Amino acid sequence: RKEVEQDPGPFNVPEGATVAFNCTYSNSASQSFFWYRQDCRKEPKLLMSVYSSGNEDGRFTAQLNRASQYISLLIRDSKLSDSATYLCVVRGAAGNKLTFGGGTRVLVKP
Amino acid sequence: NAGVTQTPKFRVLKTGQSMTLLCAQDMNHEYMYWYRQDPGMGLRLIHYSVGEGTTAKGEVPDGYNVSRLKKQNFLLGLESAAPSQTSVYFCASTRDFNQPQHFGDGTRLSIL
Repeated sequence: RKEVEQDPGPFNVPEGATVAFNCTYSNSASQSFFWYRQDCRKEPKLLMSVYSSGNEDGRFTAQLNRASQYISLLIRDSKLSDSATYLCVVRGAAGNKLTFGGGTRVLVKP
Repeated sequence: NAGVTQTPKFRVLKTGQSMTLLCAQDMNHEYMYWYRQDPGMGLRLIHYSVGEGTTAKGEVPDGYNVSRLKKQNFLLGLESAAPSQTSVYFCASTRDFNQPQHFGDGTRLSIL
């Protein structure tokens, strides 16, 4: 089993709709969680950190479920510019390293 | 604000050639990382450094060497390039491991 797993998609989303997807992680001792966004042929960029209490940044909401070992990302009122690959990133108990999921591709269409 | 700068942006090598990729950061970050990204594989950690003069192996270190002689620079070397090393290489840095990493814009390397 991979340490961090994501549905690769693509999720085809009508503009203005809501889309949500999850990421599961295998190490229950994982400490920190992030969502990164990666555009085609570009570098990953931090979208948001994920806190135990859940957090929201504009149209984006992230949740952490430690009991079931997954994190989620919800995008409301999708824009064409939200089309990208969303990478789930987990820091393990060892601390120094991050583990990246394979990414979930989202395509927002008019 | 340069952030993390990778040099070169693109390179084509022949099998058996050697080269060095340079990563430079101007944020005074302690931690630096080299990843490779292949289709369907996500980012995989090659080597990393937790400070000047230190290096450690990541998930896929074979065929690569690294050096961190100066805090701001992290070099990735391929001694004898192989076609399996064709990939996009990303460098990243962070102030401490609790913080998100900042990425360079990548080096696209093709080995024929």
